Amino acid sequence: QVQLQESGPGLVKPSETLSLTCTVTGYSIRSGYYWGWIRQPPGKGLEWMGSVHQSGTNYQNASLKSRVSISLDTSENQLSLKLTSLTTADTAVYFCARLSITGGWWYFDLWGRGTLVTVSS
Amino acid sequence: SSELTQDPAVSVALGQTVRITCQGDSLRSFSATWYQLKPGQAPLLVIFLKDRRPSGIPDRFSASSSGDTASLTITGAQAEDEADYYCNSRDSSGHHLVFGGGTKLTVL
Repeated sequence: QVQLQESGPGLVKPSETLSLTCTVTGYSIRSGYYWGWIRQPPGKGLEWMGSVHQSGTNYQNASLKSRVSISLDTSENQLSLKLTSLTTADTAVYFCARLSITGGWWYFDLWGRGTLVTVSS
Repeated sequence: SSELTQDPAVSVALGQTVRITCQGDSLRSFSATWYQLKPGQAPLLVIFLKDRRPSGIPDRFSASSSGDTASLTITGAQAEDEADYYCNSRDSSGHHLVFGGGTKLTVL
């Protein structure tokens, strides 16, 4: 059974950098698929942040500009998220998910439960 | 702002049929995927590849589309279907993903 588990600090300060990790069990991320992050601010909808493949191909939400970095660690079977220059608007539940790209179809077939990150001084 | 538009809230009587819609220009080119979100749980894929259901999703969930609008239909809604539902597709460029604003479904 494939499972995804997010981890990281629950509280970070404005202007700092957020680092989150998603540990994948039951499947080797080197075997394929894209992997990515989605977030949900309190009371708001989902926002795709970006997705990456072990080949190095990556897709990123342009609205986050250069603040987002997503990478894979195949030795640890983890994906990571770094988000710089935090503001209170970055307070959200952060989900990691597996993205299936089949032909022209893109869909997240597995998700983690998410981790709440609060940006506050 | 989201490029996919959903009604913020919809309600349905237990056992009745409800349709949740998602509208956006990108849906003319790319089909919608649908997810179910419940508090404290991992989001769940309910419809993919236009109208397919993953294993374990009841057949009361179905999907359709026409033009720039995609629909998720629950035929015979159950109490456990009460959740937030999000549509998702590639954006008009094809290189990014967008989500609708979500629809909160209440089963009365």
